Amino acid sequence: RKEVEQDPGPFNVPEGATVAFNCTYSNSASQSFFWYRQDCRKEPKLLMSVYSSGNEDGRFTAQLNRASQYISLLIRDSKLSDSATYLCVVNFVLGNQFYFGTGTSLTVIP
Amino acid sequence: DGGITQSPKYLFRKEGQNVTLSCEQNLNHDAMYWYRQDPGQGLRLIYYSQIVNDFQKGDIAEGYSVSREKKESFPLTVTSAQKNPTAFYLCASRPDRINTEAFFGQGTRLTVV
Repeated sequence: RKEVEQDPGPFNVPEGATVAFNCTYSNSASQSFFWYRQDCRKEPKLLMSVYSSGNEDGRFTAQLNRASQYISLLIRDSKLSDSATYLCVVNFVLGNQFYFGTGTSLTVIP
Repeated sequence: DGGITQSPKYLFRKEGQNVTLSCEQNLNHDAMYWYRQDPGQGLRLIYYSQIVNDFQKGDIAEGYSVSREKKESFPLTVTSAQKNPTAFYLCASRPDRINTEAFFGQGTRLTVV
């Protein structure tokens, strides 16, 4: 079983649509959570951290559900520039390991 | 400017040769990581280090070796024992504190010819 699992997609949505990604993790001792964005052939960059209370940054909302062991990312009013791969990341307490999901591919269509 | 630097950006290797990928950071981060990414896939952890002179295997350490002689540097050697080394290699670092993000280098694209 993978430590972190994501639906790989691809998600193809029209501009202005709302799209949601989910990510599940297996280790209940997981400590911190993040969403990263990766453009084609580039390194991943932090999109946002995920807090227990949930957090919002403009059109992006991240949620954490510890009981069900999943995190989510909601993108509202999708823009063409949102097209990328979105990676969820889980930091485990033991060993300070930083695990990535396989990524979800998003293409926003004009 | 502070950051994490990987070199080279592109690397070609003949089968049977060892090759070392460089990763240097001046962010004063304790933890450093090496990941491998294959086309259309996520990042898989090769090795990580939380402190100088100490490192641990990740999920796919076979055929790779690392060292951490200095806090700033975490080179990765891809040995001839790695049967399928062609991939995109990413190095990351982060402070050894909870709820801190990882910062990535620009990656090294290794191709075996």
